[in-house]
Amino acid sequence: AQSVSQHNHHVILSEAASLELGCNYSYGGTVNLFWYVQYPGQHLQLLLKYFSGDPLVKGIKGFEAEFIKSKFSFNLRKPSVQWSDTAEYFCAVNAGNNRKLIWGLGTSLGVNP
Amino acid sequence: DVKVTQSSRYLVKRTGEKVFLECVQDMDHENMFWYRQDPGLGLRLIYFSYDVKMKEKGDIPEGYSVSREKKERFSLILESASTNQTSMYLCASSFLAAGESTDTQYFGPGTRLTVL
Repeated sequence: AQSVSQHNHHVILSEAASLELGCNYSYGGTVNLFWYVQYPGQHLQLLLKYFSGDPLVKGIKGFEAEFIKSKFSFNLRKPSVQWSDTAEYFCAVNAGNNRKLIWGLGTSLGVNP
Repeated sequence: DVKVTQSSRYLVKRTGEKVFLECVQDMDHENMFWYRQDPGLGLRLIYFSYDVKMKEKGDIPEGYSVSREKKERFSLILESASTNQTSMYLCASSFLAAGESTDTQYFGPGTRLTVL
């Protein structure tokens, strides 16, 4: 069965630290990849997405993610986090022609000022 | 800007009650989705709809039904609410943008339902 794995459930960083959140998926065919963010008390919103082309994707608020096909990974990165990045981050994969997304369990990020 | 609205942010119901959660999107999207979000379990798909009057079961449809009579509105129905249905319910809609290979989902603010 297709699945998405987010390795870290909880991450705590200090401001200005670099961030990398792992996401791996299990599907051998064509995939479309997403990262969503949920700030405290707010709705889920799209951070970035990858469909094709340049495997390094830039999103909102300085986030980027790299698709590495050979590793079935789509890790999220930010060079320097801010307190306002405190949120829950979800990786999701659309496999094949399926309209549905397969979701990771999420990573809760806390940033200390 | 895509706007997905949900009828209530917070709802408290009693066991056995019939509960209606409403979702409306204003962007003429084809597809709409209902999820529940629980701590440590991520998002789990309950039902989705890819056209008016069309619906498909998601991963956890038991105890729920849905209705889509108009394109912009997708309702989730708990026929007889139970305490294990206490959760955050998220609605999403999606469309296929020109030049893209798959839909992007846009979410409403969620309804936190408590069943006593």
